[in-house]
Amino acid sequence: DADVTQTPRNRITKTGKRIMLECSQTKGHDRMYWYRQDPGLGLRLIYYSFDVKDINKGEISDGYSVSRQAQAKFSLSLESAIPNQTALYFCATSDHRGRGNEQFFGPGTRLTVL
Amino acid sequence: QQQVKQSPQSLIVQKGGISIINCAYENTAFDYFPWYQQFPGKGPALLIAIRPDVSEKKEGRFTISFNKSAKQFSLHIMDSQPGDSATYFCAASEGGGGNKLTFGTGTQLKVEL
Repeated sequence: DADVTQTPRNRITKTGKRIMLECSQTKGHDRMYWYRQDPGLGLRLIYYSFDVKDINKGEISDGYSVSRQAQAKFSLSLESAIPNQTALYFCATSDHRGRGNEQFFGPGTRLTVL
Repeated sequence: QQQVKQSPQSLIVQKGGISIINCAYENTAFDYFPWYQQFPGKGPALLIAIRPDVSEKKEGRFTISFNKSAKQFSLHIMDSQPGDSATYFCAASEGGGGNKLTFGTGTQLKVEL
């Protein structure tokens, strides 16, 4: 969905490096999410934020941190990247006033940690 | 802990056939059950969703069947087409209005000519 953008789209880094993945949205949604996708494991929630002052851990938050800089921006950081964080990362948004619980996903960031 | 179990992991169907993907859940507080479709290189997108007050929902060739007592729900794709080839994820959430989703592990569907 072009309304949810992620940068970078691809990143190769080395073990121990700090990495930041950024997500921006123009949908005006209040809720934002970070997931990682691994083959055979589906999508797993890392962190989520229901508004600018609200940050919550998901099921696999260890090794990650997030920042909600504005309603439209939600960044995911890996303080010291490790190889098992190699995955496809997705940002998503939703609107608590919207239809059901629909989440809108960005195009993803493919991260490789060597 | 896998709260939403999805099967099969992969599925090959002939064009015009019926594709069936199944999911089972454990949390009886779940009250919203969507299916997401993901094409290669893209993020998942909502395909169809159901709430537990109905047993079936149909949108075009896509139907969700829901069995509350068995805690199971399934996606049926009628007259499957090569353009339906994608990865499908079931999901579930509790509470209303944009609450976090718990996803299944995904099914890679290939529709052959």
